[in-house]
Amino acid sequence: AQSVSQHNHHVILSEAASLELGCNYSYGGTVNLFWYVQYPGQHLQLLLKYFSGDPLVKGIKGFEAEFIKSKFSFNLRKPSVQWSDTAEYFCAVNPSGTYKYIFGTGTRLKVLA
Amino acid sequence: NAGVTQTPKFQVLKTGQSMTLQCAQDMNHEYMSWYRQDPGMGLRLIHYSVGAGITDQGEVPNGYNVSRSTTEDFPLRLLSAAPSQTSVYFCASSYSIELGRETQYFGPGTRLLVL
Repeated sequence: AQSVSQHNHHVILSEAASLELGCNYSYGGTVNLFWYVQYPGQHLQLLLKYFSGDPLVKGIKGFEAEFIKSKFSFNLRKPSVQWSDTAEYFCAVNPSGTYKYIFGTGTRLKVLA
Repeated sequence: NAGVTQTPKFQVLKTGQSMTLQCAQDMNHEYMSWYRQDPGMGLRLIHYSVGAGITDQGEVPNGYNVSRSTTEDFPLRLLSAAPSQTSVYFCASSYSIELGRETQYFGPGTRLLVL
């Protein structure tokens, strides 16, 4: 079955630290990839997405992600986190040709001021 | 635009009761979907619709029904609530699903507690 793995369930960082959240998927074909974020008390919203072209994509609020096809990975990065980045982050995959999005289990990030 | 709206925000049910979670969007989106969010399990797809009159099952459809009579509305029905259906339910919509590249817009969620 197709699945998305986020290995870091809880991450605690100090402000200005660098962030990398892992995302791996199991699907051998073409995929569309997403990172969504859920700030406390807010709706889920899109951070960034990748479907073709440059495998390094930039999103909102200084986030970026790199698609490595050989590793089936789409890791999220930010060079310097802020307290306001405290949120839950979800990786999602749409296997091309399907009408479904598969979400990972999420990573709760807490940034200490 | 109001975006994606969901009602109610919170609901308590007794085992065996039925209810409908409402979802509406005013963006003329073709694709709508329902997810449940449980601790440690992320978001799991319950049902989805690619347009009015067209619905299909997702990963965890048992115990839930949907219909899509209009583009705007996509209600989720719990036929006979069970404690295992205690969860937070999110509705989402996107312009289309044909290429799978569209951003999904999420509603605020409905917290459901089944006793």
